[in-house]
Amino acid sequence: KNQVEQSPQSLIILEGKNCTLQCNYTVSPFSNLRWYKQDTGRGPVSLTIMTFSENTKSNGRYTATLDADTKQSSLHITASQLSDSASYICVVSAGFSGGYNKLIFGAGTRLAVHP
Amino acid sequence: GAGVSQSPSNKVTEKGKDVELRCDPISGHTALYWYRQSLGQGLEFLIYFQGNSAPDKSGLPSDRFSAERTGGSVSTLTIQRTQQEDSAVYLCASSLVRPGQGVDTIYFGEGSWLTVV
Repeated sequence: KNQVEQSPQSLIILEGKNCTLQCNYTVSPFSNLRWYKQDTGRGPVSLTIMTFSENTKSNGRYTATLDADTKQSSLHITASQLSDSASYICVVSAGFSGGYNKLIFGAGTRLAVHP
Repeated sequence: GAGVSQSPSNKVTEKGKDVELRCDPISGHTALYWYRQSLGQGLEFLIYFQGNSAPDKSGLPSDRFSAERTGGSVSTLTIQRTQQEDSAVYLCASSLVRPGQGVDTIYFGEGSWLTVV
């Protein structure tokens, strides 16, 4: 069964600190992995997209890693800011022919950054 | 506009009524997705449209739910005889699918918040 599991479920950190969010998946065939940020009451916004051959990708203070052998990904946030408070969602695409990738969503990690 | 546009942004309806939710994807995007997100939960796939291909309706929870995409652009999600458990945020997303040319970003709208009372 295609599944995406994220941990921790929620996390509280102090402003300026770093944190790492985890994503484990069992999706086949694997096409790509995406991290999204979802502010409360808003739609998800794309942070990174990684294909099978990519091990790391950065977007500002966000750095995602992918280990396709162990089927694990992480999202590292450096020097956190209050605006980083949001849900972070790991999404894995199951690859099908014809360009259609079924998206498997994790339940998300709720991050709260406190001053 | 530059992004995915959804309307209405908020809808309160009485149980048993029908509702229509609209999605205007980014111009030129061939793929359009509908998802549902209940409070504090992850996104649940509903339906996917890609060009002129038959839509993937495998996520629709019951026959009260239907969706169409006219002219390959605007999409409407219709919920008939609404129930309280239909209360959720309905998110639309679109992307430019180019098979064999890499992975395209999927852009989400801000969602339509549906409350069934």
